[in-house]
Amino acid sequence: GQQVMQIPQYQHVQEGEDFTTYCNSSTTLSNIQWYKQRPGGHPVFLIQLVKSGEVKKQKRLTFQFGEAKKNSSLHITATQTTDVGTYFCAGNDYKLSFGAGTTVTVRA
Amino acid sequence: SAVISQKPSRDICQRGTSLTIQCQVDSQVTMMFWYRQQPGQSLTLIATANQGSEATYESGFVIDKFPISRPNLTFSTLTVSNMSPEDSSIYLCSVGPPGQYVTDTQYFGPGTRLTVL
Repeated sequence: GQQVMQIPQYQHVQEGEDFTTYCNSSTTLSNIQWYKQRPGGHPVFLIQLVKSGEVKKQKRLTFQFGEAKKNSSLHITATQTTDVGTYFCAGNDYKLSFGAGTTVTVRA
Repeated sequence: SAVISQKPSRDICQRGTSLTIQCQVDSQVTMMFWYRQQPGQSLTLIATANQGSEATYESGFVIDKFPISRPNLTFSTLTVSNMSPEDSSIYLCSVGPPGQYVTDTQYFGPGTRLTVL
């Protein structure tokens, strides 16, 4: 079945620095979605990428979908304390398969 | 978007008992999903519950252990039966976009934190 791998599992970032989390699927995806889960909260939808090579931006967040529609990345610039949480990618092949998540902590 | 509530928000149960978790949505949705998230882990899909059809269970989950009801387009229940400590987890319901039969853009409920002693 479909498997989605996500790295790194943990990202400890200095406030103001950039970081990237990566997702790879074992199969070609119809789309990929990204969710953010704050500590103690539930996953909240961030964005969906559908087209091969698609790039979308949300303020300091940049999302990319690979040409083969099997990988994706989330890049955050100038990290802030509000970025703390776990970021999950979810590959969509008629059902969502979530990656393991990248848990982000920020030191001021 | 959709606003989802879950009851109970948390519970502590004895092994061998059963707990029914309710999921209520503020709009009519075709697709509803139940997930399990163990502490510090990712989300694992238990089953898809579409109104008017039997729930579809993922590998490793069976109806006898996790019976699901979906009586209408705004409500669903998940029962965790004959519980053991290994069932301790957060159970989340989610829904697809109101009125659409797609798995895009899922909205999650706040979750039910279950501890089994």
